[in-house]
This record gives sequence, C-alpha cells and structure tokens, in this order.
Amino acid sequence: EVQLVQSGAEVKKPGESLKISCKGSGYSFTSYWIGWVRQMPGKGLEWMGIIYPGDSDTRYSPSFQGQVTISADKSISTAYLQWSSLKASDTAMYYCARCTGANWYFDLWGRGTLVTVSS
Amino acid sequence: QSALTQPASVSGSPGQSITISCTGTSSDVGGYNYVSWYQQHPGKAPKLMIYEVSNRPSGVSNRFSGSKSGNTASLTISGLQAEDEADYYCSSYTSSSTWVFGGGTKLTVL
Repeated sequence: EVQLVQSGAEVKKPGESLKISCKGSGYSFTSYWIGWVRQMPGKGLEWMGIIYPGDSDTRYSPSFQGQVTISADKSISTAYLQWSSLKASDTAMYYCARCTGANWYFDLWGRGTLVTVSS
Repeated sequence: QSALTQPASVSGSPGQSITISCTGTSSDVGGYNYVSWYQQHPGKAPKLMIYEVSNRPSGVSNRFSGSKSGNTASLTISGLQAEDEADYYCSSYTSSSTWVFGGGTKLTVL
C-alpha cells in the first residue's frame, strides 16, 4: 500500500528539542518530494518546506526558514522535521505530504503528528 | 509570501452548485498552472481534489471542477451533497520555488 506513516503525538516543554518523522512506503521514496505543512489549532494549512530525498535538495518557506530543519534518510525512506528549541506557538498538527516533481501538487498525505508544547 | 485569498465561508443547499475563489498574484496563481485544491474534513488529513488547475485525481467525483482566470482560481462543486461539507484549501507553486496555501474556506451544506 502506498502510504506515509507519521510518528506519534508528542508533548514537550518550551526550550526542548524535537524531531518528528514521516516514513514512505509502497513507492519509490527518492522519486518524489516530501513537504511539511503546519496546521495550528482551528487554523488553516501553512506550507513549511520541502525536501527531495533523492539529493536532499531542501526549500523553506520564508516564515519557517531558520525555525525548523527538514532532512531525510533515503536508506530508510524517512523524512524528518526538527526543532532545536520549541516554543508554545509551535503547538500544532504537522502533516507530511508527497509532491510530484513534475506537476507540483501534494497527492498523498500522512495522518499528521500532533505536537503540544506546554510548560 | 502572503497566503492566497479565499472566502472564509460559503454555503449551499443539497443539489445546488457553489464556487470557491482563490486569488493570488502573477508570482503564484497567475504565473503557473500548478494550482491544486484540497478537502479537509474535521480531524482528518487533507485530500487532493484538483491538480494543475482543472484535473481530477482518480476517485474524485466529477462534481468537482476547477478553473483559472488571471490571478484567480476557482473550485466549483455541483450537485452539493452533505458529505461535501468540509474545509477547502487552494495551493499554488510560486516563482520563489516554494508553495503557498489559501486561508481556507468552510463549506456548509444547508
């Protein structure tokens, strides 16, 4: 089955670090981009950034540049989103989504990872 | 990089048609045919409904259609059904080689 499986919900304190994951299966992981999308509680979708696991080409939204790091390990078909120092405002659902390189749309989505940052 | 502009809400009765607009600039919606639309039900992940302005993925009802004129894209849902009630988001590739989403539109089926 073609799918993206995301890591489980996280509860962290402000200032802590975090790395969440997104594992692709059922398709050639290195042939598609993986994007990350934030959805804060009760709000809309925000595009954060994207990586091409084939060569690790990475792009960030200006709003998230320097705030998060996107990476991938193609040997285990997994993409990551990480924070070095979480803030309460990072509390949100984070989705990963597969993107075709030729047509630039997100055709396959993970179920999301809920990150809660609270003291 | 500003979000694309969508109406906050639209509504329609079963069987009717509704259209959701998505306005951007010449650097995103107007500059590329890489506009896509996503449906999101409460508590669920988004689902691709339209790609490349007007193409439907396999499995998506032909009641959903898309179009574009200048810097504004549109999603039309005909023959509204109760199951169409959801949030809808447009998205576009941009001249900065990034993506941008619209603010989202809540569709209510009366």
